[in-house]
Amino acid sequence: QVHLQESGPGLLKPSETLSLTCAVSGYSISRGYYWGWIRQSPGKGLEWIGSIHESGDTEYNPSLKSRVIISVDTSKNQFSLTVKSVTAADTAVYYCARAEVADFDSWGQGTLVTVSS
Amino acid sequence: EVVLTQSPGTLSLSPGERATLSCRASQSFHSRSVAWYRQKPGQAPRLLIYAASNRATGIPDRFSGSGSGTDFTLTISRLEPEDFAVYFCQQYGRSPWTFGQGTKVEIK
Repeated sequence: QVHLQESGPGLLKPSETLSLTCAVSGYSISRGYYWGWIRQSPGKGLEWIGSIHESGDTEYNPSLKSRVIISVDTSKNQFSLTVKSVTAADTAVYYCARAEVADFDSWGQGTLVTVSS
Repeated sequence: EVVLTQSPGTLSLSPGERATLSCRASQSFHSRSVAWYRQKPGQAPRLLIYAASNRATGIPDRFSGSGSGTDFTLTISRLEPEDFAVYFCQQYGRSPWTFGQGTKVEIK
C-alpha cells in the first residue's frame, strides 16, 4: 500500500522560498503515475498546484506557474515542491498525492505552512 | 478555468437516509473526468469516485456517481456514521484541475 509523507518548514516569512518534500513508500515512483501537490486554505478551498510524471514531465496551475517548481528524485523515491516569494496568501495545508491521471487516489496527511512576518 | 459549484452547501440528514450531492461545472470539459472525495476533520481527502461513476478501491457500493456534460451527482444510498463529513467534486478534464467548494453532510 502506497504511503506519502510531506516534510518541510511550517513557518516562513513573506518573500521567502517554500520547499516541501514528499517521501513515497510502498510504491516506486519510477513505475509511473502522476505525483501532485494540492493545497487547502479556508479562503480558497482545495487548489491544485501542479503535478509531475515519473518521466519528469510537469504541469502547473497557471495561477502559480511563475513561482512554482516541482521536481522528482526517483533514486530517493520522493518528489518536491518549491514556491518562490511567498505571501500570506500561500498559507495553507499542503498535500502531496498520487494520481493515475489527475484523480488523486492516495494522499499524504498534509503539512501546515504559515507565512507571517 | 472550470468553476465547479456544489449544492447544497450543507445537507442535514439522519443515519440511514439517502444523500444526493450536486456538482455543476461552468463549462463542459473532456468526457466524464470528474472525481468525488470525502474529507473528515483533520484528515486528507479520500477518493470515492473517479471518471464520474467508478468507485475507487475499497469504497463501498452505497456510494455511486453519475452525470455527464456539466452536471454530476454523488449519491450515498444509506448514510453511515462515518459519512458525515465534507464532500468535494473535482474535474480533471480541462487544465487547471479544479475543485468544488464542498458540501457538508451533517447529522440532523
